[in-house]
Amino acid sequence: DTGVSQNPRHKITKRGQNVTFRCDPISEHNRLYWYRQTLGQGPEFLTYFQNEAQLEKSRLLSDRFSAERPKGSFSTLEIQRTEQGDSAMYLCASLVGDLLFRETQYFGPGTRLLVL
Amino acid sequence: DAKTTQPPSMDCAEGRAANLPCNHSTISGNEYVYWYRQIHSQGPQYIIHGLKNNETNEMASLIITEDRKSSTLILPHATLRDTAVYYCIVRDPLGSARQLTFGSGTQLTVLP
Repeated sequence: DTGVSQNPRHKITKRGQNVTFRCDPISEHNRLYWYRQTLGQGPEFLTYFQNEAQLEKSRLLSDRFSAERPKGSFSTLEIQRTEQGDSAMYLCASLVGDLLFRETQYFGPGTRLLVL
Repeated sequence: DAKTTQPPSMDCAEGRAANLPCNHSTISGNEYVYWYRQIHSQGPQYIIHGLKNNETNEMASLIITEDRKSSTLILPHATLRDTAVYYCIVRDPLGSARQLTFGSGTQLTVLP
């Protein structure tokens, strides 16, 4: 257990439905990341927050995807009008940088999404 | 961030050292080498990182060649629980890209 939690752990939905995932990072971590991982591939970056500000978004993040981190604490990732290609593991990671550049991203267990 | 090349899979006998190579021939002077691993159905886990000196922690050792174009992650006494995908990532922690860029990694299987 890294201290980063994600809910739900599994989600099955029908194509066209909206889904929302939640990530609770380690409390003192000011940076939060979302990644997506498909079978057999490494995680791919989606978006990044520093405190409540969303500072970077990947081109993978289409306009059907939106992420928020309203008070700089937990974050949500919403997918609207889901498509079968959205089926993947969605990973959240948090970190606090330090002078040793450990840049240790602590990952949550992920939310596995299956779109039927 | 520089691109890395890793073998897709490796086997290691339990109790023996596992040596996982990574090529990063285009690494720049500000870029560090980071290693993460991902056990099946879990999120990636940080292992170790380094700039140019060899590093050791409670999990592993990292050997970086003098020209920094390649590195080796060493698990000194592999156990069955070390079976995982191991990712070598090269990045500048102060660069504009704040995220980790994962490749396909090396699937390490520790055999009993």
